[in-house]
Amino acid sequence: NAGVTQTPKFRVLKTGQSMTLLCAQDMNHEYMYWYRQDPGMGLRLIHYSVGEGTTAKGEVPDGYNVSRLKKQNFLLGLESAAPSQTSVYFCASNPDRIYGYTFGSGTRLTVV
Amino acid sequence: RKEVEQDPGPFNVPEGATVAFNCTYSNSASQSFFWYRQDCRKEPKLLMSVYSSGNEDGRFTAQLNRASQYISLLIRDSKLSDSATYLCVVIGGATNKLIFGTGTLLAVQP
Repeated sequence: NAGVTQTPKFRVLKTGQSMTLLCAQDMNHEYMYWYRQDPGMGLRLIHYSVGEGTTAKGEVPDGYNVSRLKKQNFLLGLESAAPSQTSVYFCASNPDRIYGYTFGSGTRLTVV
Repeated sequence: RKEVEQDPGPFNVPEGATVAFNCTYSNSASQSFFWYRQDCRKEPKLLMSVYSSGNEDGRFTAQLNRASQYISLLIRDSKLSDSATYLCVVIGGATNKLIFGTGTLLAVQP
C-alpha cells in the first residue's frame, strides 16, 4: 500500500517552460488536493477535487491547471513556469472532508 | 487576521522538558482540528486529532477550547526525536478545507 505517490521528486525548469506534476493514491480516496509550501507562508491550497472529473480552485490557483480524469490520479500543470512558482508542492488526499490528510512526499520545483 | 495562527518559535528545550504550543483560529464554525508534524524537507504527517473532550496519545496531549477558539498541544518528557515543526490544522471556514497554520518549530537539545 503506497499511499500517496508524487512524481517527480525534484525538477528545475526554465522560465516559460511547462510541466505536469503527477499525484497518485491507492486508497480509493474521493478528495485530492494540491498545496504549495513556501517559507513563512505555510501550506496554501492551489486546487482540489472532490471526485473523479471534478476540480475547484483553492487559495492560490493562478498559473496552475489541474485534471482528475481518474479517481486515483490528480495532475497539476504549469503552462508557463515563472520564478514565483519555485516552491515545494504537496499532494494530499482524504476519504471525506472531515478527515485528516495523507500527504505525498513532495515535489521540489525550482524555476530559473 | 490569519484564519489559523501559531507562534513560529523556535522553542528550544532540553531533553525531558515539557513544552506546550497554542494555536488560535478565527472561524467559530470550524469543525475539526488536528496537529501535524513536519520534519525538515519531509511531508506533514498526522500526529493526532483534537477532540472537544481533549485526548492523549502517550506523551502527547491535545486540547480544544471552543469558547476561546484555541487548541493546544502538550509534549511531556521531550525526546530529541520530537524536534520538528508542529502544524496546527483546522477544518472549516469559507472553503470547508483544511487550513494550516505556519507551524511552530521545536528543537529539543541534548
